[in-house]
Amino acid sequence: NAGVTQTPKFRVLKTGQSMTLLCAQDMNHEYMYWYRQDPGMGLRLIHYSVGEGTTAKGEVPDGYNVSRLKKQNFLLGLESAAPSQTSVYFCASRPTGNTGELFFGEGSRLTVL
Amino acid sequence: GQQLNQSPQSMFIQEGEDVSMNCTSSSIFNTWLWYKQDPGEGPVLLIALYKAGELTSNGRLTAQFGTTRKDSVLNISASIPSDVGIYFCAGRLRGSQGNLIFGKGTKLSVKP
Repeated sequence: NAGVTQTPKFRVLKTGQSMTLLCAQDMNHEYMYWYRQDPGMGLRLIHYSVGEGTTAKGEVPDGYNVSRLKKQNFLLGLESAAPSQTSVYFCASRPTGNTGELFFGEGSRLTVL
Repeated sequence: GQQLNQSPQSMFIQEGEDVSMNCTSSSIFNTWLWYKQDPGEGPVLLIALYKAGELTSNGRLTAQFGTTRKDSVLNISASIPSDVGIYFCAGRLRGSQGNLIFGKGTKLSVKP
């Protein structure tokens, strides 16, 4: 099983450029999440979705947008990248009724110059 | 927002040693989870705890849900080189159907 797949795995951007990270899950999960991981900061929630067509803000949503047009996909967009958005981004999903376990992708490393 | 205090931040141990790390909070949780992240990978669930006082094992790993519901401990016995990685605790607040709150992680290094 593929589980949670993130693309691309690595990307370098210049300040001001835009890009989209794609997360795809093949487990028919309702909930999907985008986190960023920075040294010493742990995992911080950017945005999440409780089902197709829904999105909500997490702890650090500024500078990011998301869309969940299809149940299996959750897109994270950066409209105008900034060096502060240099990070490793993780997508995760879980089914409804699950008591908390998240299934994570392998991460996408983004560098903004 | 709510915070989990995870300690220690990092550990350097000799192969064969036992390890203990913990998470505490001022809030009450109804779920505690422990994840491990290998270098270059996403976190993977190790142990899930759902009841106060619960003690659960997964091989050489044992985790406990504190009786006050405000803390959890993860123990690793007889560490081996492949235990290297970052260990995260995560919790779900009591009465909440909401998102997990993550600790900042404990980075474990094991000398062969």
